[in-house]
Amino acid sequence: EPEVTQTPSHQVTQMGQEVILRCVPISNHLYFYWYRQILGQKVEFLVSFYNNEISEKSEIFDDQFSVERPDGSNFTLKIRSTKLEDSAMYFCASSVREMNTEAFFGQGTRLTVV
Amino acid sequence: AQTVTQSQPEMSVQEAETVTLSCTYDTSENNYYLFWYKQPPSRQMILVIRQEAYKQQNATENRFSVNFQKAAKSFSLKISDSQLGDTAMYFCATRLWGNNDMRFGAGTRLTVKP
Repeated sequence: EPEVTQTPSHQVTQMGQEVILRCVPISNHLYFYWYRQILGQKVEFLVSFYNNEISEKSEIFDDQFSVERPDGSNFTLKIRSTKLEDSAMYFCASSVREMNTEAFFGQGTRLTVV
Repeated sequence: AQTVTQSQPEMSVQEAETVTLSCTYDTSENNYYLFWYKQPPSRQMILVIRQEAYKQQNATENRFSVNFQKAAKSFSLKISDSQLGDTAMYFCATRLWGNNDMRFGAGTRLTVKP
């Protein structure tokens, strides 16, 4: 069964460093998303991406964040200068159409900023 | 703004019994979607069931069913004949029609006991 895959599963980075989280969405999906879940808190929407551009973003997704689909398969989230409060699980998701249809989530990348 | 509240941080149920997870939400919109996602210990979130707000009939998926009360803004999940594999975090989520920003509740950790 096709699935969304995320790498790495766990990333530790020093505060102020840039980090790139990688996702491979399901191949025929057109909509891509990033969510994060700070430990013990809710899953929060970060950004959605369609047709090679951001379609929506939350107030969390500030200038420190960027997304890219560098080739036909990868979807990346870059955090330019990490802060301690960026420590969280980051989930990638994809869907064939907009999220009224089923969104498939990856297993997440646990980012720890030290 | 949409908010989603799951008032039960943790629940447990005996195998083969029935359990109901509660979810309430707040929105001023009329057209939206409601979801229950399951996040097993392996961390990948899986869609359990989906309900369109314009549909009066409650959605069912095998052992999973919802009790959707639109006026009360309530969307509870009933799991019948609970199985050990149902042990997971369960997230309730809403999404407005035409919007990719899916809002999640804080989650309910369900443990099915043998």
